[in-house]
Amino acid sequence: GAGVSQSPSNKVTEKGKDVELRCDPISGHTALYWYRQSLGQGLEFLIYFQGNSAPDKSGLPSDRFSAERTGGSVSTLTIQRTQQEDSAVYLCASSLAANSNQPQHFGDGTRLSIL
Amino acid sequence: GQQLNQSPQSMFIQEGEDVSMNCTSSSIFNTWLWYKQDPGEGPVLLIALYKAGELTSNGRLTAQFGITRKDSFLNISASIPSDVGIYFCAGNGLAAGNKLTFGGGTRVLVKP
Repeated sequence: GAGVSQSPSNKVTEKGKDVELRCDPISGHTALYWYRQSLGQGLEFLIYFQGNSAPDKSGLPSDRFSAERTGGSVSTLTIQRTQQEDSAVYLCASSLAANSNQPQHFGDGTRLSIL
Repeated sequence: GQQLNQSPQSMFIQEGEDVSMNCTSSSIFNTWLWYKQDPGEGPVLLIALYKAGELTSNGRLTAQFGITRKDSFLNISASIPSDVGIYFCAGNGLAAGNKLTFGGGTRVLVKP
């Protein structure tokens, strides 16, 4: 597609359930990034992929969070045993390559609400 | 970790006014980026800066990468109602790999 696509756009789930968030990067972009945005805040880095490898997972808040990328394209972010503090907008971005001179382009995010 | 201080946190604009916002960092950045985010949408890239001292324009927007590599500003000239939104600075630091550090945002609102 023309831009980064994320699904679902909204997700409401009960505390303790697992959730999967999906990101489809811009075609041809080898680098993919996940960020989290709490209400009224800036974005917080979670993890990034170069191809299918994740060189930097330092932003994942706990071992309940994991992400994978297959075929160098689609990525899924999984949150297990969700907690209320996981409620946020989860944003995905992609860039041509994982270089600082390649700007990141964002999707519209998944708004996650944990009841 | 690295932090970006963005100011002001919010501002009111009147149509036709010029506005300015800035970001400062305690450490050096390789890249400065400015994004705008509208409600319910992801951030949209406005301007990317890659060299210290670089001054770049995109229509009515002008941004500069500070000489010290620790700051950047964004100016909007002759503001219009659709300039309302949240503006974020973001930077890529020397030891940060490819992850971006974001400022807290500047919320631009229309004067009542």
